[in-house]
Amino acid sequence: AQTVTQSQPEMSVQEAETVTLSCTYDTSESDYYLFWYKQPPSRQMILVIRQEAYKQQNATENRFSVNFQKAAKSFSLKISDSQLGDAAMYFCASGGATNKLIFGTGTLLAVQP
Amino acid sequence: DAGVTQSPTHLIKTRGQQVTLRCSPISGHKSVSWYQQVLGQGPQFIFQYYEKEERGRGNFPDRFSARQFPNYSSELNVNALLLGDSALYLCASSPGRGLLQSPLHFGNGTRLTVT
Repeated sequence: AQTVTQSQPEMSVQEAETVTLSCTYDTSESDYYLFWYKQPPSRQMILVIRQEAYKQQNATENRFSVNFQKAAKSFSLKISDSQLGDAAMYFCASGGATNKLIFGTGTLLAVQP
Repeated sequence: DAGVTQSPTHLIKTRGQQVTLRCSPISGHKSVSWYQQVLGQGPQFIFQYYEKEERGRGNFPDRFSARQFPNYSSELNVNALLLGDSALYLCASSPGRGLLQSPLHFGNGTRLTVT
């Protein structure tokens, strides 16, 4: 069975500071992807960043980067220079050959001005 | 280009009724997936359709069914509604069959309330 665990229900960060959201996963797939999605109050799930499991190099997208530790099955998201628009629910997810994504329970990020 | 569109945005139904939710994928996307997101939880996979055939099914009862049309749009049907079916239903599309080819693009969802 595949599982994704987010142990931080809520996090808070000051504007312009850096915050790290944690995620651990377990999967039986040999080839898989890991994702971070952002869900603002508008409800739409927006892809923030994705990591191919066979790539050792950590993915980076502008202010967003991941720390992928395959042996530890850990996939954390770092947001640098936090902005008010980053406030949202963040979901970690894993998926393999099909379109079936397994999501964690989410971390609600608040950004303080 | 238009994103994934879902209709309606909100819906209120009574226990025992039936509901149909609709989804139009991004142009050129042949795969549509449905997810249920109960308040306070992450989305749960319900179905995937690719090229009009069911390619995956999550752990949901037979009251849930779906189909994909020749234009790749999709409908999700839920029969004999229960209070526990109240949730945000998300539709996602992608060009290919699996995540290894392309990530999912989600719509804004349909908020279903069962009273």
